[in-house]
Amino acid sequence: ELKVEQNPLFLSMQEGKNYTIYCNYSTTSDRLYWYRQDPGKSLESLFVLLSNGAVKQEGRLMASLDTKARLSTLHITAAVHDLSATYFCAAANTGNQFYFGTGTSLTVIP
Amino acid sequence: ETGVTQTPRHLVMGMTNKKSLKCEQHLGHNAMYWYKQSAKKPLELMFVYNFKEQTENNSVPSRFSPECPNSSHLFLHLHTLQPEDSALYLCASSKERTGETQYFGPGTRLLVL
Repeated sequence: ELKVEQNPLFLSMQEGKNYTIYCNYSTTSDRLYWYRQDPGKSLESLFVLLSNGAVKQEGRLMASLDTKARLSTLHITAAVHDLSATYFCAAANTGNQFYFGTGTSLTVIP
Repeated sequence: ETGVTQTPRHLVMGMTNKKSLKCEQHLGHNAMYWYKQSAKKPLELMFVYNFKEQTENNSVPSRFSPECPNSSHLFLHLHTLQPEDSALYLCASSKERTGETQYFGPGTRLLVL
């Protein structure tokens, strides 16, 4: 079974600072997904990374994938309060089954 | 309404009750999923339907019974649940069962007393 680990689980950061969330997965996967979940709301798709070395950016968020290291990162640049949410990564196995991490709860402090 | 919708949004039921959760997607997708989200645990995939056919059942207890009458609708029938079944139940859909991005509904917050 594919296991996905995120760290940190909780992150409190000041506005304007940079930080990275890490997502490690246990076995071969060439597809990695990042989602955002606001309290009481659904998961919103952020990025889909489909190949080794893939990098995608949207606003202050940038995601990358290293399939050899089995690692994806979500980098936050100059954080703002609106980015406060829980961020999930998910890896898909060859059977197209998604395995989610436990999530990183991000709080951006003014 | 667009996207993936779920009803009810909140549900409280006793252990002897029978209830159903409903999911509807307006995206023209062919694959639909049920997930369970418990506190401090990763999302757990419960069931997968692709073109109305069940393709995955991740060792889910029989007190959870899915139904997919067509590609747009997915139900989760609940009976004789246990308190540990209390969780957020999320429905998702994707274009095909090929690892494409899954789009999630808002979830049903279930409390079993």
